[in-house]
Amino acid sequence: SQTIHQWPATLVQPVGSPLSLECTVEGTSNPNLYWYRQAAGRGLQLLFYSVGIGQISSEVPQNLSASRPQDRQFILSSKKLLLSDSGFYLCAWSVGQVDNSPLHFGNGTRLTVT
Amino acid sequence: GNSVTQMEGPVTLSEEAFLTINCTYTATGYPSLFWYVQYPGEGLQLLLKATKADDKGSNKGFEATYRKETTSFHLEKGSVQVSDSAVYFCAHQGGGADGLTFGKGTHLIIQP
Repeated sequence: SQTIHQWPATLVQPVGSPLSLECTVEGTSNPNLYWYRQAAGRGLQLLFYSVGIGQISSEVPQNLSASRPQDRQFILSSKKLLLSDSGFYLCAWSVGQVDNSPLHFGNGTRLTVT
Repeated sequence: GNSVTQMEGPVTLSEEAFLTINCTYTATGYPSLFWYVQYPGEGLQLLLKATKADDKGSNKGFEATYRKETTSFHLEKGSVQVSDSAVYFCAHQGGGADGLTFGKGTHLIIQP
């Protein structure tokens, strides 16, 4: 069966520090991968998605970047965190090249920028 | 553009009450529709889905019917339990790989 791992679960970082959140998927090949952010009291905002290694689409211009160095690894990064980057970050995957395949989410990373 | 609108909470009900959470969408074409549930401190879990008009998705006593004429996908449950307390998200997907468009979520609180 497929599983998705996301870490760390919680993170407290000072303003201006770098960020690296990792997400890996097991049990499937060539998945579509996604990073969402959930800010307090708001819905989910799609940040990045990827349909293959090295292929990243950005939905919202901001202080973050994403990379996919391996088929089942998706990394969210920042060089210098802002207070507004605080939130709950969710990684998700779906079956590649299949229309309307549902998303499957990891357990999220709670990021607090102080 | 594509969007999803759902009733904002919190919605507070007593145990065994009937639940309806409204959801309407705007989209081009024929999107697939989903309900996700998020328990405290966790990620989102797929609750149910429907991929074409008049389809009914169901799971764990929850149901939602894809109504193309009213562009709606309301979530219902006949008798809620305390364990149903969570945040519920309505979402649609228009095909392709660019993910889901989510509503803002409805916080449901069930009191014993």
